[in-house]
Amino acid sequence: DAMVIQNPRYQVTQFGKPVTLSCSQTLNHNVMYWYQQKSSQAPKLLFHYYDKDFNNEADTPDNFQSRRPNTSFCFLDIRSPGLGDAAMYLCATSRDLGGRGYTFGSGTRLTVV
Amino acid sequence: AQKVTQAQTEISVVEKEDVTLDCVYETRDTTYYLFWYKQPPSGELVFLIRRNSFDEQNEISGRYSWNFQKSTSSFNFTITASQVVDSAVYFCALAKYNFNKFYFGSGTKLNVKP
Repeated sequence: DAMVIQNPRYQVTQFGKPVTLSCSQTLNHNVMYWYQQKSSQAPKLLFHYYDKDFNNEADTPDNFQSRRPNTSFCFLDIRSPGLGDAAMYLCATSRDLGGRGYTFGSGTRLTVV
Repeated sequence: AQKVTQAQTEISVVEKEDVTLDCVYETRDTTYYLFWYKQPPSGELVFLIRRNSFDEQNEISGRYSWNFQKSTSSFNFTITASQVVDSAVYFCALAKYNFNKFYFGSGTKLNVKP
């Protein structure tokens, strides 16, 4: 049974058109993360939520925002996608900030046209 | 600063060959975790192993084995009798003890040919 679910698996959006990616979890984990993985590169952390506390990585562009309305859901909003934002976006969760139970979702592959 | 180096960008082997994927890390922390993840073409990251810095015992799980050597800051991964299904990108990663993120290596793409 999938425990970290990302929808959709593939998303196509237009240049400059806002897009939202979704992540849900059934693990009741406190921490949710968003990673960006460009082609042939390692995943790069964008930000994470510890409960309702939002923590942005220093080099995450302002174009990327996130929302966590409740424990189960976390959204990644890209306000004005550029061609350089085409990537795989991976959601992950962990029980706490000690990384226990770190679990990745299957990812959403974003194409910008 | 934390850094993970996977010098092998891509490796090709023929099925049933053994293959070792290299991982070298840098950290000033005395307590940390090391990981290996598999990423098949479908894109999900599949957890393979987590090792803490105090446990230098080598581990074997079926055809997979890991060699952790603090003296050389290496955490190498060996697949014995490789299979086509092992074809994937493999990432080595480091995390601080109270971590909220991974420091990933650049990955090694393994091609196993029939």
